[in-house]
Amino acid sequence: DAGVTQSPTHLIKTRGQQVTLRCSPKSGHDTVSWYQQALGQGPQFIFQYYEEEERQRGNFPDRFSGHQFPNYSSELNVNALLLGDSALYLCASSLVSEETQYFGPGTRLLVL
Amino acid sequence: EDQVTQSPEALRLQEGESSSLNCSYTVSGLRGLFWYRQDPGKGPEFLFTLYSAGEEKEKERLKATLTKKESFLHITAPKPEDSATYLCAVNSGNTPLVFGKGTRLSVIA
Repeated sequence: DAGVTQSPTHLIKTRGQQVTLRCSPKSGHDTVSWYQQALGQGPQFIFQYYEEEERQRGNFPDRFSGHQFPNYSSELNVNALLLGDSALYLCASSLVSEETQYFGPGTRLLVL
Repeated sequence: EDQVTQSPEALRLQEGESSSLNCSYTVSGLRGLFWYRQDPGKGPEFLFTLYSAGEEKEKERLKATLTKKESFLHITAPKPEDSATYLCAVNSGNTPLVFGKGTRLSVIA
């Protein structure tokens, strides 16, 4: 049973660039959430997608956007990158009817 | 606003020395409290979900308990491979998961 997968594993960008991160949910799951985790901090909720719609959103600027595809996979896009966007980006999947989320290995983004 | 506070920030134990990690929370209508284990540079690994006060769950050397204000993660006779950061999170329906900063556990052989 495949768990949550994310790509790429690492990424280096420069300020002002744009980045796209990808996530495939655990088999059978229909809901994808994205989190940002700075060093030494707990993950912070960015947004959640279900049925290709943004269902909930955390306190992140519009530079952060996402998409969910018919096969439930998802993308996170960040525009106009800032140094402060350097973090581990985590994708989690779940069933819309359940609260427990399962996380992928993350994408480490470094903005120079 | 939902809040989660974990203590201590860091904990160093000798192998076999049992202890507990604390997670205090304030939330408007708890829909679940979650414990995760996170190894450096990796994604959080799910451990437990607790839904109501008085509930307990166990897995190997770990036992999680829940009251109306806090949760404890008890570690019995820890081994070096239990070294990790343990994260607590809550779901109130406002935000899928609100996390604490975690407790960094080191178990020394």
